[in-house]
Amino acid sequence: KNEVEQSPQNLTAQEGEFITINCSYSVGISALHWLQQHPGGGIVSLFMLSSGKKKHGRLIATINIQEKHSSLHITASHPRDSAVYICAPLPNYGGSQGNLIFGKGTKLSVKP
Amino acid sequence: DGGITQSPKYLFRKEGQNVTLSCEQNLNHDAMYWYRQDPGQGLRLIYYSQIVNDFQKGDIAEGYSVSREKKESFPLTVTSAQKNPTAFYLCASSTGTGGRTGELFFGEGSRLTVL
Repeated sequence: KNEVEQSPQNLTAQEGEFITINCSYSVGISALHWLQQHPGGGIVSLFMLSSGKKKHGRLIATINIQEKHSSLHITASHPRDSAVYICAPLPNYGGSQGNLIFGKGTKLSVKP
Repeated sequence: DGGITQSPKYLFRKEGQNVTLSCEQNLNHDAMYWYRQDPGQGLRLIYYSQIVNDFQKGDIAEGYSVSREKKESFPLTVTSAQKNPTAFYLCASSTGTGGRTGELFFGEGSRLTVL
């Protein structure tokens, strides 16, 4: 059984569309990371959150700890947003980021 | 600029040879991590280190070894004992250790192909 489920696995959008990527997890957590992996393989951390909502530019991340669910939203999507987005919860039984569990990622392609 | 540097970016080796992947950071982070990524799977933790001269095994440590002699450096050796070493390897560091969490910073990755 996967501890982290992301949906959708693949997403194709037109430039300008509003995008939502979902992440559900089955364990209690102390924080959750959203990561962006570019086609070349490098990964960038977008958000780390433990409650509520965070916004950075066109990106918004929300989390509901009670429902064990987080979402990543992209407003006014652009082709440069095309990447794989990875959800990584930190279980609260471990205490160390060595215990992060990773989703398999959502591959987003934004067409001009 | 501060960041994490992995090298080499691409590496080809014959079966049975040990290879060492370099990871250097100038972010002054205590914690460093090595992950393996295979197609269609999430990142899996190989080893991590929370402080110099100390490291712990992750979920898939068999066939790998690490050292942490300096804060800035956390090299990974893929030994001949690793049965399926062809993969993409990512190094990361973070500001958080122990019970504290922090932002993660990743290198650009090293793609190892064993022929």
